[in-house]
Amino acid sequence: AQKVTQAQTEISVVEKEDVTLDCVYETRDTTYYLFWYKQPPSGELVFLIRRNSFDEQNEISGRYSWNFQKSTSSFNFTITASQVVDSAVYFCALSEGSSNTGKLIFGQGTTLQVKP
Amino acid sequence: DTGVSQDPRHKITKRGQNVTFRCDPISEHNRLYWYRQTLGQGPEFLTYFQNEAQLEKSRLLSDRFSAERPKGSFSTLEIQRTEQGDSAMYLCASSLDTLYGYTFGSGTRLTVV
Repeated sequence: AQKVTQAQTEISVVEKEDVTLDCVYETRDTTYYLFWYKQPPSGELVFLIRRNSFDEQNEISGRYSWNFQKSTSSFNFTITASQVVDSAVYFCALSEGSSNTGKLIFGQGTTLQVKP
Repeated sequence: DTGVSQDPRHKITKRGQNVTFRCDPISEHNRLYWYRQTLGQGPEFLTYFQNEAQLEKSRLLSDRFSAERPKGSFSTLEIQRTEQGDSAMYLCASSLDTLYGYTFGSGTRLTVV
């Protein structure tokens, strides 16, 4: 069965600290897609990144970076030099390639609080 | 491209009443999804449309829930005889392709009192 686990419920850091949000997934599919979304207090889910199961290259986008390791079924997200505006709930999600619908399985989310 | 719009943003209803939510997807997106998010949890898939066809429904979608997407444009989600357990954020999303992340709306927060 497919599952996404975000073990960290809440993380609190001081501005300019680096922070890593963990994501572990379970799937029987060999083709799948992993996502990260940000949910600010306004409630709208904002797409951050998509990664397919055949691409294990790490990705960097500004202060954001993602580490995908199939050997440990993990897709961790690091924010470098965190800012107050990064405060939000972050969700990791999985979409299985065998599913034609593209539905997402979300983790429970990690609430990140960045203090000034 | 004005994004995905949901209406209303907030709805308070008494237990036993019926409620209907509307979602207007991005115009060229043929795929539309409904998710439900309860406090402290990640969104859970409810149902999926490709154009006007409802192709998948979660077992979370009880008989009291019905969704439509007439003409493959906007969609409505109706909950009949609401219960307190229906209190949640109802999120709509649309996409053009399964390979890319959806665009989510801001959601409708339902409170059943």
